Amino acid sequence: DAGITQSPRHKVTETGTPVTLRCHQTENHRYMYWYRQDPGHGLRLIHYSYGVKDTDKGEVSDGYSVSRSKTEDFLLTLESATSSQTSVYFCAISESRTLSSYEQYFGPGTRLTVT
Amino acid sequence: GESVGLHLPTLSVQEGDNSIINCAYSNSASDYFIWYKQESGKGPQFIIDIRSNMDKRQGQRVTVLLNKTVKHLSLQIAATQPGDSAVYFCAENNQGGKLIFGQGTELSVKP
Repeated sequence: DAGITQSPRHKVTETGTPVTLRCHQTENHRYMYWYRQDPGHGLRLIHYSYGVKDTDKGEVSDGYSVSRSKTEDFLLTLESATSSQTSVYFCAISESRTLSSYEQYFGPGTRLTVT
Repeated sequence: GESVGLHLPTLSVQEGDNSIINCAYSNSASDYFIWYKQESGKGPQFIIDIRSNMDKRQGQRVTVLLNKTVKHLSLQIAATQPGDSAVYFCAENNQGGKLIFGQGTELSVKP
């Protein structure tokens, strides 16, 4: 988890409220990712960023938006939280996406509960 | 769609024994594979990776084997220790840097 922090680490919120999760890195890596992890589904990509203000959707992007105004910060927003978004959210970073460096490094995770 | 799967959801081994965790992948075009370890309450931690032009790669106490003929990947842990208890994920790259993860195998080490 060195160089990657996530905040908050735990959050309980009510259905319909907006929620923003923050990922902060000190590695100056270009690529950043948001995943959710659920039992029976493994890690699934929500959104990713390939540079400041450059983002794209992953496989489970509905209901989520992201923003990246600085290299070090990648924000994930749930505009109106639903119970199906109860999950553990992980941020990851990678230096590049060439064959020499596909490995991603993960943060400690945020446990989100939507009641 | 393409997916990465694991043969066994749980694996229990005796301390000191070798562990083998298996993974099947379905996309023959995948060119890179990676293993992660995830301890309870923590994020996944990189263990070892292998490119599709290799059959075997060794790290410290770990070896990854790739059999492209049957699209199978395995992680071998030598002299398994209690600290190895965790969930192990394999992942493949088949979309230019976007990793597709398997669901994980839980390794339990008995003292």
